[in-house]
Amino acid sequence: AQSVTQLDSHVSVSEGTPVLLRCNYSSSYSPSLFWYVQHPNKGLQLLLKYTSAATLVKGINGFEAEFKKSETSFHLTKPSAHMSDAAEYFCVVTKGWGYQKVTFGIGTKLQVIP
Amino acid sequence: GAGVSQSPSNKVTEKGKDVELRCDPISGHTALYWYRQSLGQGLEFLIYFQGNSAPDKSGLPSDRFSAERTGGSVSTLTIQRTQQEDSAVYLCASSDPRGGAYNEQFFGPGTRLTVL
Repeated sequence: AQSVTQLDSHVSVSEGTPVLLRCNYSSSYSPSLFWYVQHPNKGLQLLLKYTSAATLVKGINGFEAEFKKSETSFHLTKPSAHMSDAAEYFCVVTKGWGYQKVTFGIGTKLQVIP
Repeated sequence: GAGVSQSPSNKVTEKGKDVELRCDPISGHTALYWYRQSLGQGLEFLIYFQGNSAPDKSGLPSDRFSAERTGGSVSTLTIQRTQQEDSAVYLCASSDPRGGAYNEQFFGPGTRLTVL
């Protein structure tokens, strides 16, 4: 069985300050891990994915995430928040090759204060 | 190129009516997924298609829900005798399974269903 826990349902940061969105996963095998972003009234878009090639993964818009097997974590970070980062972020774990059994976290809403 | 499209974008219906939601995946994507996004519930997996067959229907919440896919392309999700708890945003995603374990799913904009 697999599961993913996003530890914060809401995160509020000031513009220009760092962003940390936390995600822990549970999986009995090497997981495939993703972060997706959903802007208001928009579809979900892939931010980044962990492919086992490197533990530190860089994504779009300056986001990155670090895979820590010992902590079963895949936290999303950004050094400096921008107003356009305000959105909902989903951590995702998948199982399978080709077809994937997909499990989404409940989502973290990021508010950026000017 | 064209992304995943869904129609209608919004649907308001009365309790007890049937509704059909449509998904047009990216051309060439053989894998197609349906999800439901309810307020405060995150995304809930409903069903997966590989080509026209559905090897995983485990997420369908009741026998009022069904889905089909024809020609390895368009998919329709049907909800019969709708209930108020069916109100949600229904999302469709497609992917190319040749990406192996790291396939990106491409999502449509969703259909917002409101059952009165």
